[in-house]
Amino acid sequence: DIQMTQSPSSLSASVGDRVTITCRASESISRYLNWYQQKPGKAPKLLIYAASILQSGVPSRFSGSGSGTDFTLTISSLQPEDFATYYCQESHSSPRTFGQGTKVEI
Amino acid sequence: QVQLVQSGAEVLEPGASVKVSCKASGYTFTTYGFSWVRQAPGQGLEWMGWISAHNGDTKYAQNLQGRVTMTRDTSTSTVYMELRSLRFDDTAVYYCAREGGTESSGYYFVYWGQGTVVTVSS
Repeated sequence: DIQMTQSPSSLSASVGDRVTITCRASESISRYLNWYQQKPGKAPKLLIYAASILQSGVPSRFSGSGSGTDFTLTISSLQPEDFATYYCQESHSSPRTFGQGTKVEI
Repeated sequence: QVQLVQSGAEVLEPGASVKVSCKASGYTFTTYGFSWVRQAPGQGLEWMGWISAHNGDTKYAQNLQGRVTMTRDTSTSTVYMELRSLRFDDTAVYYCAREGGTESSGYYFVYWGQGTVVTVSS
């Protein structure tokens, strides 16, 4: 099975900061990579699929990049509503493994 | 609008079985597959498996093979996840998620159920 490793596990940031989260796959997954945001008590929300395609309705301050084994999620200017946990997910093979999550805190 | 509505919370003893339902509406049920994802308290997301709403084909996570069964009922647009021989560490919120995307873009989850809390306690 493909393993997905996110870093960091948590980070502290301020409103307006640029934030970058990294996801590394244990083998090449081309661009088969999704990013989700989850807030406490809620289901995850899809932000980006196919490594860099912004899901409809998601603010443009979110962006994704990468291919092969290394991927990044960038929030260009952190907003108060962005404090949450972010997960990457391999999107083509079975199992559709998630990363362990990155908690973005104030 | 697409909606996924899951069954209510469950409290069960170790060794019991649980069957969680997820009723879909707002689209043609057999067009998309479903995954089940669970989240233990304070932990991350764990993909449990997938079922095709079209023909019932399934794929399960290796660590749950033999304990999990996913089924669907096209007459009621409902998918089910049954987990047997429950253990304390099966305590989690269980989500169904409708799978979108393609072979070229990969598969992703836009629509999620509200989650079902399953508590395993003696």
